[in-house]
Parts: sequence; structure tokens; C-alpha cells
Amino acid sequence: QSVLTQPPSVSGTPGQRVTISCTGTSSGIGAGYDVHWYQQLPGTAPKLLIYGNNNRPSGVPDRFSGSKSGTSASLAITGLQAEDEADYYCQSSDSSLSGSVFGGGTRLTVL
Amino acid sequence: QVQLQESGPGLVKPSETLSLTCAVSGGAISSSTYYWGWIRQPPEKGLEWIGTIYYTGSTNYNPSLKSRVSISVDTSNNQFSLRLSSVTAADTALYYCARRGGCYGGRCYSSDWFDPWGQGILVTVTS
Repeated sequence: QSVLTQPPSVSGTPGQRVTISCTGTSSGIGAGYDVHWYQQLPGTAPKLLIYGNNNRPSGVPDRFSGSKSGTSASLAITGLQAEDEADYYCQSSDSSLSGSVFGGGTRLTVL
Repeated sequence: QVQLQESGPGLVKPSETLSLTCAVSGGAISSSTYYWGWIRQPPEKGLEWIGTIYYTGSTNYNPSLKSRVSISVDTSNNQFSLRLSSVTAADTALYYCARRGGCYGGRCYSSDWFDPWGQGILVTVTS
């Protein structure tokens, strides 16, 4: 069981907006730790998608955005495309574990 | 551009020790800005942080694996290594190495992220 809780799956149709939630704890996200997001396309290594709650690395489309509030964070994808079908993971730190923690992952299906 | 490449045996027998190496190219592992980490992913499951090392040798391990894990760094060869002892079938996974950093554009954040990642190496524990 992950310290960060994500829905196992979400789905949407092309062009739609979808969000993926990431719920943490009072010793993690709730303590002020920043949240990061990764995209894992089938058969590939995870790729950094969002860092520091809401910042996109160079090359990441602005269709992807992140936010954080309290003990939770969210990833939003607008203008959904077939190529966005992947697994998405949130990641942060947690003082109770003295290290990095990942969410359980959310599989996005584009219908 | 920094690249990471994992190497090591793809098969390990139960109770033995898993040993992997991550070669870093395009950048110095002795950079004061970054840490270096191992993350694993069991088949069809999520990501699990294993541990992290700084070029000085300072380490930080996942408490759930701490008794079996050792990460070391070899600055002369620009690589770092993972050893996981007393493996069982539950340790079968894709093992990734990654660079860990937490500052960008002059700003540092309260938690670090992993970027870039190696391509991963599948390690199967089987007799």
C-alpha cells in the first residue's frame, strides 16, 4: 500500500479534460513537501512530467498541468490525445519514511 | 545530456544477492547538485523507491528494504551500484537507476525528483 493514494484508473475521450488525484499524509504532502508527476508509456521508463507541483520540464506540452492543496495534489490533462494513454505516478517525500515515496499509479485510457 | 544505463545479471537465485551497476555518462557523478537513486517496479505494479546515494557515499534507504540493501558509488568510473541480499520471488522487478535533484532555474524545492532515468533492467528471482 502506497503512502500516496491515486485512483487505479481514469479514462476520457479525445479532446476531453481529465484529472488524476494524489492524496498524501500530514507527514508528507501535508507537511509542505512538493509533488512531482511522471508519465510511463507502455514498455518504457518513467519520464518526468511535472516537478515542484506545477512546473513543466522543457518539451512537455502545456496540456499537462499540476496543482497542490493541503494533503493532495492533482495532475490535469486537457485536450486529451491518444498518445497520452499511459500510467501516471505522483511522487513526493515523507518525513516518516525519511525518503522518497511514489503513488500507486493511475492508468489513463483514451477511449 | 546525462544518460544512465543499468547492467547486471537478469537471473538471480532465491536467497542470493542481487547486484546491479548504473553507468552515468554525459555528466559527473561527483556533481554536488545531485543524488543518485534506485527505483524498482514489479511486473504490472507500481514504482518503489529503493534508496539514494550522494557522491560522498552518504546513503538513504527505504525502511522496508534497509536491512537487505546496500548502495555504493565509484566516482573514478562514474557509476554507482545496488546490492540486495537474501532475495525472494517478491524481488522480481524492473530495476531503474535515476538521477535525483531538487533545484531548477535557481530555485530549490522541498522534495527532490528523479530525472533522467535509465531504461531499466529486468531481474527475475528464480531457482
